[in-house]
Amino acid sequence: DQQVKQNSPSLSVQEGRISILNCDYTNSMFDYFLWYKKYPAEGPTFLISISSIKDKNEDGRFTVFLNKSAKHLSLHIVPSQPGDSAVYFCARNAGNMLTFGGGTRLMVKP
Amino acid sequence: NAGVTQTPKFRILKIGQSMTLQCTQDMNHNYMYWYRQDPGMGLKLIYYSVGAGITDKGEVPNGYNVSRSTTEDFPLRLELAAPSQTSVYFCASSPETGGRETQYFGPGTRLLVL
Repeated sequence: DQQVKQNSPSLSVQEGRISILNCDYTNSMFDYFLWYKKYPAEGPTFLISISSIKDKNEDGRFTVFLNKSAKHLSLHIVPSQPGDSAVYFCARNAGNMLTFGGGTRLMVKP
Repeated sequence: NAGVTQTPKFRILKIGQSMTLQCTQDMNHNYMYWYRQDPGMGLKLIYYSVGAGITDKGEVPNGYNVSRSTTEDFPLRLELAAPSQTSVYFCASSPETGGRETQYFGPGTRLLVL
């Protein structure tokens, strides 16, 4: 069973500080990990991805780190903005299917 | 370019009723997917399709049926609604599989079965 887990259901951060969202997985067979952002009453939207052959991928304020030995990935948002307040899902893409974590609700306080 | 559209936005069903959730995409994507999201949980794949006429089961297919007669449309059918099917349903599409290509999601259909 290939699992993806987000152990923190919520995170609160002050505006301008760093937000770090974490994700663990239980199987090393994957191609890409992706992060999605979801606002209430909307569908998830793609944020950033990382390949299994990389340790880091950066896009503007968003950076994803992959630690293969620990089977752990994290999303860093610097600096955090109030508009970043949303639910963040990590997902693994293996073949035709995405497997999602349970999500972390990020609240960025002004 | 509307992307992925879903109808209806919200529906209340009685136990045992049936309904079809509609999904249409205008991006000419071959791959389409149906997910459900229960409160506080991640999305789980119900069915997916790699092209017109081809569908396959995902993680939680029981109680649902799909068809794919065109590239654009991928309806999800509930034949005998049960309270366990109360959820938010998301349709998605992607140009290909392989990992890097993201999936594009519709706004969701909220279903309540009473």
